[in-house]
Amino acid sequence: GESVGLHLPTLSVQEGDNSIINCAYSNSASDYFIWYKQESGKGPQFIIDIRSNMDKRQGQRVTVLLNKTVKHLSLQIAATQPGDSAVYFCAEKLTGGGNKLTFGTGTQLKVEL
Amino acid sequence: DVKVTQSSRYLVKRTGEKVFLECVQDMDHENMFWYRQDPGLGLRLIYFSYDVKMKEKGDIPEGYSVSREKKERFSLILESASTNQTSMYLCASTPAGRAYYEQYFGPGTRLTVT
Repeated sequence: GESVGLHLPTLSVQEGDNSIINCAYSNSASDYFIWYKQESGKGPQFIIDIRSNMDKRQGQRVTVLLNKTVKHLSLQIAATQPGDSAVYFCAEKLTGGGNKLTFGTGTQLKVEL
Repeated sequence: DVKVTQSSRYLVKRTGEKVFLECVQDMDHENMFWYRQDPGLGLRLIYFSYDVKMKEKGDIPEGYSVSREKKERFSLILESASTNQTSMYLCASTPAGRAYYEQYFGPGTRLTVT
């Protein structure tokens, strides 16, 4: 079956360090991959997307890497700050899948001072 | 800033009750969505609407219905609540012309059915 999963449920990093959050997917027919951030008590927030024909996309302090060979997606956060503490989850949009996304279960990022 | 509000943060209902979850967005967005979020499962789409009075089933519509009589309001209805509908319910919206996954989410309603 199709699945989007995460390698680690919890990631602890020191403030100022870089964070890398990973995601594995199994469906090769996805045209976009998306990252969301969900802070405690809040709804998810769109962070960044990457099209399947790209390997890398950079945003403000975040970089998405896509490795289609091994079906792996990662979110890198530079100079992690306390405000980055949240659950991060990936999602994939299937090509021609309409308005439906397949979401991962999330990784809890904890930033230690 | 776009604001998506949900009528309740926490709700406790009894099995068999009819439950209404309300969602309102203030940015004239065409598309609105209802998800449920359960531990270990990720978000799952229940229903979405791309216009007033229009609705489409998502991945798990069974046991739910929706109503969109006005553009800014999208209601999720549990006709007869059951314990397996205990969950966090999230509403989201996007404007037409934007990627639909660039969704603005409300804070969620945590529903407990006893």
